Amino acid sequence: KQEVTQIPAALSVPEGENLVLNCSFTDSAIYNLQWFRQDPGKGLTSLLLIQSSQREQTSGRLNASLDKSSGRSTLYIAASQPGDSATYLCAVRGNAGNMLTFGGGTRLMVKP
Amino acid sequence: NAGVTQTPKFQVLKTGQSMTLQCAQDMNHEYMSWYRQDPGMGLRLIHYSVGAGITDQGEVPNGYNVSRSTTEDFPLRLLSAAPSQTSVYFCASRRQGSGNTIYFGEGSWLTVV
Repeated sequence: KQEVTQIPAALSVPEGENLVLNCSFTDSAIYNLQWFRQDPGKGLTSLLLIQSSQREQTSGRLNASLDKSSGRSTLYIAASQPGDSATYLCAVRGNAGNMLTFGGGTRLMVKP
Repeated sequence: NAGVTQTPKFQVLKTGQSMTLQCAQDMNHEYMSWYRQDPGMGLRLIHYSVGAGITDQGEVPNGYNVSRSTTEDFPLRLLSAAPSQTSVYFCASRRQGSGNTIYFGEGSWLTVV
């Protein structure tokens, strides 16, 4: 059974810092991996999707990498801003079926 | 563009009552799904559908029913609510195929007392 772990569970940084969020998964037979943002009391917003054949994806200040063989993905946020404060979740989709398996999330606070 | 719309946003039920959480999407997505989110457990898939008339079970289907009579709607039914079903429920949809972004609704907060 796929298990997804995110470390750290919570992170507090001053504005302007570059930071890295980590996601690890136990079964490397994945179809794709996605990073989401969740604001308090809201749904999830997809940030980046990396196909299993890709190594990274970039969107603005966000860069996500995927190392399937080691079962790891990182989300790099450059020049963090208070508006980046949210919970960040990663999820993997296995090769068989449509289910996304989610990690527990990293709660990020960026202090002005 | 409304995206994925869930109703109601908040609901309190008594044990044993039944109710339906509504989900509608206006993006003509084939795939729709229901997740529940619980502290310490993350998001877990309840049921999903790959098209009208087709549904399948996810990781935690017990106590829930679904149907998909149209492409747009995917209601989730609790037949006899239990306190263990207290959770936040999210509906999501996407186009079938690889590399397609999944869109989530804003969630439905359900408390069973």
